[in-house]
Amino acid sequence: DAKTTQPTSMDCAEGRAANLPCNHSTISGNEYVYWYRQIHSQGPQYIIHGLKNNETNEMASLIITEDRKSSTLILPHATLRDTAVYYCIVRFISPDSNYQLIWGAGTKLIIKP
Amino acid sequence: GAVVSQHPSWVICKSGTSVKIECRSLDFQATTMFWYRQFPKQSLMLMATSNEGSKATYEQGVEKDKFLINHASLTLSTLTVTSAHPEDSSFYICSARPPPSGSPPKAGELFFGEGSRLTVL
Repeated sequence: DAKTTQPTSMDCAEGRAANLPCNHSTISGNEYVYWYRQIHSQGPQYIIHGLKNNETNEMASLIITEDRKSSTLILPHATLRDTAVYYCIVRFISPDSNYQLIWGAGTKLIIKP
Repeated sequence: GAVVSQHPSWVICKSGTSVKIECRSLDFQATTMFWYRQFPKQSLMLMATSNEGSKATYEQGVEKDKFLINHASLTLSTLTVTSAHPEDSSFYICSARPPPSGSPPKAGELFFGEGSRLTVL
């Protein structure tokens, strides 16, 4: 699986957009980009995933560069409850695979009032 | 969305005792569940893959006789920490995924339990 690189920590003001970058320069054509977050002392929470097109859901937007070597997770209007560690993971998923995710260190996002 | 529930959410036990943690998929059947361990300020580390009706697959360095996994039904997997010691104190998290759907099958998300914090005195 491709390795990802994320900044160790980031700050963002409440109400502003939080943009979390992720580099995955060795990603292969059939690997998806997944984003999860983990609020302190809780299990990880799925946010969004994508292959090559940009994706948006009720939580966030995922922007993947055309060469797929990097991506950005965007939380459009950050709130204090978005303070968490955000993990960017790339993984090939086949329909019949018992896939698991390899977790890096993630980015600790702190939303400040 | 799909829900995965763990129980207990926290447990304190004496050294040498065994502790069982349950992981349930509440609204879908999971043929596969995963167990992770997370030490303070560290990332999740996969311990084992739990397969319904068959033996679990353990990651390198994880003692299968110490961390017993049973996946007896499509909605329940259990992790038993046998003869627990203080170094086993950690945050244990399970995850499961719904069966793939659509044609072609969609790469679905993985759902996680709330985690179980084990403290061994």
